[in-house]
Amino acid sequence: AQSVTQPDIHITVSEGASLELRCNYSYGATPYLFWYVQSPGQGLQLLLKYFSGDTLVQGIKGFEAEFKRSQSSFNLRKPSVHWSDAAEYFCAVGGDSSYKLIFGSGTRLLVRP
Amino acid sequence: DAGVIQSPRHEVTEMGQEVTLRCKPISGHNSLFWYRQTMMRGLELLIYFNNNVPIDDSGMPEDRFSAKMPNASFSTLKIQPSEPRDSAVYFCASTLNAAGAYNEQFFGPGTRLTVL
Repeated sequence: AQSVTQPDIHITVSEGASLELRCNYSYGATPYLFWYVQSPGQGLQLLLKYFSGDTLVQGIKGFEAEFKRSQSSFNLRKPSVHWSDAAEYFCAVGGDSSYKLIFGSGTRLLVRP
Repeated sequence: DAGVIQSPRHEVTEMGQEVTLRCKPISGHNSLFWYRQTMMRGLELLIYFNNNVPIDDSGMPEDRFSAKMPNASFSTLKIQPSEPRDSAVYFCASTLNAAGAYNEQFFGPGTRLTVL
């Protein structure tokens, strides 16, 4: 079955600390992977995406993610978190023959001053 | 570009009333999605349109829900009659679905629906 697992419901980090949000997927075909961010009261905004090629992808706002096929993971990272990064983060998987995106349940990031 | 536009942003109604949510996709996009977001179930795809035609409505919860896309720049999601369990945030998203390519979905700001 196709699925996305974000094992951490909440994560709290101090401002300036590094961040890693975990994402594991199960997908039968070549996966297209996405990270979206949702600020309170807002829609989802794409941070980055992976289709093929270099497994380390750079996104907006200083985020990056690494695709590890052997681990079925696509973890999101940021070297130094800013207070404005506090939001909910969603990992999603799709495929080249499917219009559907399967979303994880989200990880809520809290940033300590 | 103004992005995906949804209206209203907030809707409070009473059980049994008809609710209509509206969406204007990004100009030039040919695919439109309606999602529902709740704490319990997360983000769920309700229906997908491609070139104004409903392709997959398997996520529509029941017959009380209906969606239309009369033209490339407008879609509605209607709930009749509404029930308290329909309370959620409803998102519309659009993309340019070109052959051989998978493009990101652009989300609107959502409509927060509360059914009393």
